[in-house]
Amino acid sequence: GIQVEQSPPDLILQEGANSTLRCNFSDSVNNLQWFHQNPWGQLINLFYIPSGTKQNGRLSATTVATERYSLLYISSSQTTDSGVYFCAVVTGGFKTIFGAGTRLFVKA
Amino acid sequence: DAGVIQSPRHEVTEMGQEVTLRCKPISGHNSLFWYRQTMMRGLELLIYFNNNVPIDDSGMPEDRFSAKMPNASFSTLKIQPSEPRDSAVYFCASSFGQGIEAFFGQGTRLTVV
Repeated sequence: GIQVEQSPPDLILQEGANSTLRCNFSDSVNNLQWFHQNPWGQLINLFYIPSGTKQNGRLSATTVATERYSLLYISSSQTTDSGVYFCAVVTGGFKTIFGAGTRLFVKA
Repeated sequence: DAGVIQSPRHEVTEMGQEVTLRCKPISGHNSLFWYRQTMMRGLELLIYFNNNVPIDDSGMPEDRFSAKMPNASFSTLKIQPSEPRDSAVYFCASSFGQGIEAFFGQGTRLTVV
């Protein structure tokens, strides 16, 4: 089956720093989503981005489907950005497969 | 819309007991997904429905697990009998069509002792 790899697995930032999270996938996908799981366990939709670039405030994402990767950019990080960031891809059979996540901690 | 609603939020049960988790998808969404999250295995897709019909249940771990969707606004995930290794957070998600953006409920934290 399709493999979804996220990097880095863990990331510690000083408040105000920028970061880039990466998601690689091993096969063609129909769609891709980025989620943030906050410390309370809630999965929050960040981006629905099968291709191209989107921006929402301090966050932006780019998916290059032909090269099988997506990037999530966090600028001017805040302590509330802490949590786990998941990439999820939708396969040809419409199954959604999650990566293992990037655990982010932003220090004040 | 209130989003995807799951109940209960927390469940503690004894080994061997039956457990039923419930999910109300977002109104108008016709795809529904059940996931399980553990530290060891991450987020795993257990089963998904489209138009109330189970499409892929290959992620259901054993026959002790079953899921139903009797109508467009309600689904259940049942574990019978429950075992300690079933302890996890179970999420339900829904989307407007297959392969379209999915939205998650708050999850049910299940502890089997």
